[in-house]
Amino acid sequence: DIQMTQSPSSVSVSVGDRVTITCRASQGIGSWLAWYQQKPGKAPKLLINGASSLQRGVPSRFSGSGSGTDFTLTISSLQPEDFATYYCQQANSFPLTFGGGTKVEIK
Amino acid sequence: EVQLVESGGGLVQPGGSLRLSCAASGFIFSDYWMNWVRQAPGKGLEWVANIKQDGSQKYYVDSVKGRFTISRDNAKNSLYLQMNSLRAEDTAVYYCARTVRGVILDAFDIWGQGTMVTVSS
Repeated sequence: DIQMTQSPSSVSVSVGDRVTITCRASQGIGSWLAWYQQKPGKAPKLLINGASSLQRGVPSRFSGSGSGTDFTLTISSLQPEDFATYYCQQANSFPLTFGGGTKVEIK
Repeated sequence: EVQLVESGGGLVQPGGSLRLSCAASGFIFSDYWMNWVRQAPGKGLEWVANIKQDGSQKYYVDSVKGRFTISRDNAKNSLYLQMNSLRAEDTAVYYCARTVRGVILDAFDIWGQGTMVTVSS
Protein backbone atom coordinates (compact mmCIF):
# COMPACT_ATOMS: atom_id res chain seq x y z
CA ASP A 1 0.00 0.00 0.00
CA ILE A 2 1.14 3.57 -0.65
CA GLN A 3 1.50 5.54 2.58
CA MET A 4 0.73 9.26 2.47
CA THR A 5 2.44 11.41 5.09
CA GLN A 6 1.28 14.96 5.67
CA SER A 7 3.10 17.67 7.57
CA PRO A 8 2.51 19.49 9.73
CA SER A 9 -0.37 17.74 11.49
CA SER A 10 -1.60 21.13 12.67
CA VAL A 11 -0.67 24.76 12.17
CA SER A 12 -1.81 27.97 13.87
CA VAL A 13 -1.99 30.94 11.54
CA SER A 14 -3.57 34.35 11.17
CA VAL A 15 -5.88 35.69 8.48
CA GLY A 16 -3.76 36.86 5.57
CA ASP A 17 -0.91 34.44 6.26
CA ARG A 18 0.57 32.16 3.64
CA VAL A 19 0.14 28.48 4.49
CA THR A 20 2.05 25.56 3.02
CA ILE A 21 1.11 21.93 3.63
CA THR A 22 3.31 19.07 2.48
CA CYS A 23 2.32 15.55 1.44
CA ARG A 24 4.84 12.79 0.81
CA ALA A 25 4.06 9.46 -0.84
CA SER A 26 5.93 6.29 0.12
CA GLN A 27 6.50 5.59 -3.58
CA GLY A 28 6.15 7.54 -6.81
CA ILE A 29 2.59 8.39 -7.83
CA GLY A 30 3.21 10.68 -10.79
CA SER A 31 0.67 13.48 -10.56
CA TRP A 32 -2.12 11.30 -9.14
CA LEU A 33 -2.63 13.47 -6.09
CA ALA A 34 -5.71 15.26 -4.84
CA TRP A 35 -6.31 17.75 -2.02
CA TYR A 36 -9.49 18.09 0.03
CA GLN A 37 -10.81 20.56 2.58
CA GLN A 38 -13.04 19.33 5.40
CA LYS A 39 -14.89 21.45 7.94
CA PRO A 40 -16.30 19.99 11.17
CA GLY A 41 -19.39 17.88 10.62
CA LYS A 42 -19.19 18.23 6.85
CA ALA A 43 -18.10 16.03 3.96
CA PRO A 44 -14.72 16.67 2.36
CA LYS A 45 -14.60 19.05 -0.59
CA LEU A 46 -12.28 18.44 -3.54
CA LEU A 47 -9.96 21.40 -4.07
CA ILE A 48 -7.24 20.19 -6.42
CA ASN A 49 -6.84 17.14 -8.65
CA GLY A 50 -3.91 15.95 -10.73
CA ALA A 51 -1.57 17.59 -8.19
CA SER A 52 -2.16 21.11 -9.53
CA SER A 53 -5.54 21.43 -11.28
CA LEU A 54 -7.89 23.67 -9.35
CA GLN A 55 -11.49 22.48 -9.24
CA ARG A 56 -14.10 24.82 -10.67
CA GLY A 57 -15.25 27.35 -8.11
CA VAL A 58 -12.23 26.96 -5.82
CA PRO A 59 -10.58 30.32 -5.10
CA SER A 60 -7.29 31.01 -6.84
CA ARG A 61 -5.52 31.55 -3.50
CA PHE A 62 -5.32 27.74 -3.37
CA SER A 63 -2.60 26.10 -5.45
CA GLY A 64 -0.96 22.70 -5.66
CA SER A 65 2.39 21.54 -6.94
CA GLY A 66 4.67 18.52 -7.06
CA SER A 67 5.04 15.17 -8.72
CA GLY A 68 6.50 11.79 -7.92
CA THR A 69 6.64 11.59 -4.13
CA ASP A 70 6.55 15.20 -2.87
CA PHE A 71 3.57 17.51 -3.10
CA THR A 72 2.52 20.87 -1.69
CA LEU A 73 -0.76 22.67 -1.08
CA THR A 74 -0.38 26.42 -0.67
CA ILE A 75 -2.95 28.94 0.49
CA SER A 76 -1.52 32.30 -0.51
CA SER A 77 -3.53 34.51 1.85
CA LEU A 78 -5.62 32.67 4.41
CA GLN A 79 -9.23 33.75 4.71
CA PRO A 80 -11.57 33.12 7.68
CA GLU A 81 -13.45 30.43 5.74
CA ASP A 82 -10.23 28.49 5.13
CA PHE A 83 -9.88 27.30 8.72
CA ALA A 84 -10.41 23.56 8.28
CA THR A 85 -8.62 20.25 7.99
CA TYR A 86 -6.87 19.43 4.72
CA TYR A 87 -6.20 15.95 3.36
CA CYS A 88 -4.14 14.67 0.46
CA GLN A 89 -5.09 11.48 -1.39
CA GLN A 90 -3.21 9.33 -3.88
CA ALA A 91 -5.06 7.98 -6.91
CA ASN A 92 -2.20 5.99 -8.41
CA SER A 93 -3.10 2.52 -7.19
CA PHE A 94 -5.38 0.48 -4.95
CA PRO A 95 -6.03 0.83 -2.14
CA LEU A 96 -6.64 4.54 -2.51
CA THR A 97 -5.09 6.18 0.53
CA PHE A 98 -5.26 9.52 2.32
CA GLY A 99 -2.80 11.48 4.36
CA GLY A 100 -3.45 11.89 8.07
CA GLY A 101 -4.69 15.45 7.68
CA THR A 102 -3.48 18.95 8.54
CA LYS A 103 -5.64 21.09 10.80
CA VAL A 104 -5.35 24.80 10.07
CA GLU A 105 -6.28 26.70 13.21
CA ILE A 106 -6.66 30.33 14.15
CA LYS A 107 -3.68 31.81 15.97
CA GLU B 1 -28.38 19.79 -8.45
CA VAL B 2 -25.79 17.04 -8.29
CA GLN B 3 -26.37 15.20 -5.04
CA LEU B 4 -25.64 12.03 -3.08
CA VAL B 5 -27.74 11.14 -0.04
CA GLU B 6 -26.77 8.26 2.26
CA SER B 7 -29.07 6.37 4.59
CA GLY B 8 -29.14 3.19 6.65
CA GLY B 9 -26.67 3.96 9.40
CA GLY B 10 -27.33 3.20 13.05
CA LEU B 11 -26.30 1.27 16.14
CA VAL B 12 -25.48 -2.41 15.65
CA GLN B 13 -23.93 -5.04 17.91
CA PRO B 14 -20.54 -6.58 17.14
CA GLY B 15 -20.99 -9.41 14.65
CA GLY B 16 -24.14 -7.84 13.26
CA SER B 17 -25.04 -6.59 9.81
CA LEU B 18 -26.15 -3.33 8.26
CA ARG B 19 -26.93 -2.17 4.73
CA LEU B 20 -26.13 1.36 3.68
CA SER B 21 -27.75 3.05 0.70
CA CYS B 22 -26.78 6.09 -1.34
CA ALA B 23 -29.26 7.81 -3.66
CA ALA B 24 -27.78 9.77 -6.54
CA SER B 25 -29.41 12.60 -8.44
CA GLY B 26 -28.52 15.38 -10.84
CA PHE B 27 -26.07 13.37 -12.97
CA ILE B 28 -25.94 10.21 -15.07
CA PHE B 29 -25.21 7.72 -12.32
CA SER B 30 -24.33 4.88 -14.70
CA ASP B 31 -21.43 6.91 -16.16
CA TYR B 32 -19.35 6.88 -12.99
CA TRP B 33 -17.31 4.64 -10.73
CA MET B 34 -18.70 5.01 -7.21
CA ASN B 35 -17.06 4.65 -3.82
CA TRP B 36 -17.57 4.30 -0.10
CA VAL B 37 -15.20 6.25 2.15
CA ARG B 38 -15.34 6.20 5.95
CA GLN B 39 -14.10 8.35 8.80
CA ALA B 40 -13.85 7.07 12.36
CA PRO B 41 -14.71 9.63 15.06
CA GLY B 42 -11.92 12.21 15.30
CA LYS B 43 -9.82 10.36 12.72
CA GLY B 44 -8.85 10.69 9.07
CA LEU B 45 -10.41 9.41 5.88
CA GLU B 46 -10.25 5.79 4.72
CA TRP B 47 -11.35 4.55 1.31
CA VAL B 48 -13.44 1.38 1.71
CA ALA B 49 -14.55 0.13 -1.70
CA ASN B 50 -15.48 1.09 -5.23
CA ILE B 51 -17.51 -0.32 -8.10
CA LYS B 52 -17.43 0.07 -11.85
CA GLN B 53 -20.22 1.68 -13.82
CA ASP B 54 -21.84 -1.65 -14.74
CA GLY B 55 -21.00 -3.39 -11.45
CA SER B 56 -18.60 -5.84 -13.11
CA GLN B 57 -15.53 -4.78 -11.13
CA LYS B 58 -15.26 -4.14 -7.40
CA TYR B 59 -12.29 -3.31 -5.18
CA TYR B 60 -11.98 -3.27 -1.40
CA VAL B 61 -9.54 -2.20 1.28
CA ASP B 62 -8.07 -5.30 2.93
CA SER B 63 -9.69 -4.65 6.32
CA VAL B 64 -13.21 -5.18 4.90
CA LYS B 65 -12.60 -7.90 2.32
CA GLY B 66 -14.90 -10.85 2.85
CA ARG B 67 -17.17 -8.86 5.20
CA PHE B 68 -18.42 -5.92 3.10
CA THR B 69 -20.03 -6.02 -0.36
CA ILE B 70 -20.50 -3.01 -2.58
CA SER B 71 -23.26 -3.06 -5.20
CA ARG B 72 -25.32 -0.70 -7.31
CA ASP B 73 -28.66 -0.48 -9.11
CA ASN B 74 -28.36 1.90 -12.04
CA ALA B 75 -32.11 1.76 -12.70
CA LYS B 76 -32.65 3.19 -9.22
CA ASN B 77 -29.59 5.49 -9.27
CA SER B 78 -28.48 3.85 -6.06
CA LEU B 79 -25.28 2.57 -4.45
CA TYR B 80 -25.20 0.09 -1.57
CA LEU B 81 -22.81 -1.26 1.02
CA GLN B 82 -23.73 -4.52 2.74
CA MET B 83 -21.71 -4.78 5.94
CA ASN B 84 -21.53 -8.13 7.75
CA SER B 85 -19.54 -9.36 10.75
CA LEU B 86 -19.23 -5.81 11.98
CA ARG B 87 -16.51 -4.90 14.45
CA ALA B 88 -15.99 -1.99 16.81
CA GLU B 89 -13.32 -0.64 14.49
CA ASP B 90 -15.92 -0.26 11.72
CA THR B 91 -17.52 2.55 13.72
CA ALA B 92 -17.39 5.60 11.46
CA VAL B 93 -19.25 8.04 9.31
CA TYR B 94 -19.67 6.39 5.91
CA TYR B 95 -19.68 8.61 2.85
CA CYS B 96 -20.56 7.67 -0.70
CA ALA B 97 -18.47 9.53 -3.25
CA ARG B 98 -18.22 9.81 -7.02
CA THR B 99 -14.94 9.30 -8.85
CA VAL B 100 -14.22 12.12 -11.27
CA ARG B 101 -14.28 11.64 -15.03
CA GLY B 102 -15.71 8.13 -14.97
CA VAL B 103 -12.33 6.46 -14.56
CA ILE B 104 -11.31 3.69 -12.19
CA LEU B 105 -8.72 5.62 -10.17
CA ASP B 106 -8.99 9.32 -9.45
CA ALA B 107 -10.20 11.85 -6.92
CA PHE B 108 -13.71 12.08 -5.50
CA ASP B 109 -15.57 15.14 -6.69
CA ILE B 110 -19.05 14.63 -5.23
CA TRP B 111 -19.69 13.44 -1.67
CA GLY B 112 -22.79 12.68 0.31
CA GLN B 113 -23.43 14.09 3.77
CA GLY B 114 -22.50 10.79 5.41
CA THR B 115 -24.31 8.27 7.60
CA MET B 116 -23.05 7.21 11.04
CA VAL B 117 -22.47 3.55 11.84
CA THR B 118 -21.82 2.63 15.47
CA VAL B 119 -20.78 -0.90 16.37
CA SER B 120 -21.19 -1.44 20.08
CA SER B 121 -22.80 -3.79 22.57
